[in-house]
Amino acid sequence: NAGVTQTPKFRVLKTGQSMTLLCAQDMNHEYMYWYRQDPGMGLRLIHYSVGEGTTAKGEVPDGYNVSRLKKQNFLLGLESAAPSQTSVYFCASSSSGGTYEQYFGPGTRLTVT
Amino acid sequence: GENVEQHPSTLSVQEGDSAVIKCTYSDSASNYFPWYKQELGKRPQLIIDIRSNVGEKKDQRIAVTLNKTAKHFSLHITETQPEDSAVYFCAANEITGRRALTFGSGTRLQVQP
Repeated sequence: NAGVTQTPKFRVLKTGQSMTLLCAQDMNHEYMYWYRQDPGMGLRLIHYSVGEGTTAKGEVPDGYNVSRLKKQNFLLGLESAAPSQTSVYFCASSSSGGTYEQYFGPGTRLTVT
Repeated sequence: GENVEQHPSTLSVQEGDSAVIKCTYSDSASNYFPWYKQELGKRPQLIIDIRSNVGEKKDQRIAVTLNKTAKHFSLHITETQPEDSAVYFCAANEITGRRALTFGSGTRLQVQP
């Protein structure tokens, strides 16, 4: 049981390049989330999904797109990377049951130059 | 939406002393309040959580208290050890379809040996 995994772990992009971050969970969770973490600002919600085939915007969605074609996977895309998107990105998942506990992936450190 | 404020932003204590971190939340409907510990370069890890029908919860050296009337909750760590040094985040849930957590901005705890 791997929990939540993310690929890649590190990435350096040039301004204007695109990339996709992959999140996978093997806990059969309905809910999945993408956060970004910047120094001194905690975790901010980018996009989320309440089930396969559904996605929605969080608090800071601009510049990002997401897809959830399979229940276990949640992809975060940057179409045209900007230096302001330099951050650590965490994926999380949670069940639809009585607990709100979120399980986090190991994170992806992205630098845009 | 929910707003969570956390303080202090940094806290330095001597080994063996107690540490207290406080958070306030805005949405009186929130009913789940987790605390996460994040070591440098690692993912956030849940250390303790409390639901609104409980005023206090303990797990060995850590405890959380909740005051629903005042809408604040606190993390208490007793007999601190150097391995307690980390960034701690509080969070509160949203009673909405997305079941998201709103995080505080974090407290960097440094335990001096």
